[in-house]
Amino acid sequence: LAKTTQPISMDSYEGQEVNITCSHNNIATNDYITWYQQFPSQGPRFIIQGYKTKVTNEVASLFIPADRKSSTLSLPRVSLSDTAVYYCLVGDKDSGAGSYQLTFGKGTKLSVIP
Amino acid sequence: DTGVSQNPRHKITKRGQNVTFRCDPISEHNRLYWYRQTLGQGPEFLTYFQNEAQLEKSRLLSDRFSAERPKGSFSTLEIQRTEQGDSAMYLCASSPGVDVDETQYFGPGTRLLVL
Repeated sequence: LAKTTQPISMDSYEGQEVNITCSHNNIATNDYITWYQQFPSQGPRFIIQGYKTKVTNEVASLFIPADRKSSTLSLPRVSLSDTAVYYCLVGDKDSGAGSYQLTFGKGTKLSVIP
Repeated sequence: DTGVSQNPRHKITKRGQNVTFRCDPISEHNRLYWYRQTLGQGPEFLTYFQNEAQLEKSRLLSDRFSAERPKGSFSTLEIQRTEQGDSAMYLCASSPGVDVDETQYFGPGTRLLVL
């Protein structure tokens, strides 16, 4: 499984756009990039997943350059409730009969300031 | 269906006691996973079930740990002879188990404190 590197922490003011970048230099051809969000005392929650270029959903956008060695999670106009830990994961989505074991790093602790 | 549920949410036990946690996955999800999370760290994979079959176990899962999923629905994780190092959040997740969507949906976790 490809190792990921992301900042340990970030601060942002309410209403700003937040971009969290994750490095995954050893990403494999079949690997997808997935981001999870975790609030204190809760389980992680899936945010977004992508393979290349740009993916957007109702909560975030994911930008993946052509070489796929990094990715950027973009959160538009953050609010206090976006304060959480954000994890970047890389893994093979097509697991067939095998598992899709998730490997979490320490994540990025985002603090949104009023 | 309201998602993955776990019981109890909190458990305090004395060293040497046995504890059992329960996980109810999202209905009709074939795959079920157990993770452990300590303070300041991301979740670590423990084990995985495809229906009732336990297909993968991490080296973290010592012989004091056992997990079951007897009818391919709910699962239990038992820790025998608990140690203080077992104190952690134990998370359960489930996924549909079809090739297209393997997104894992996590429960709220069971926080274990071993005194």
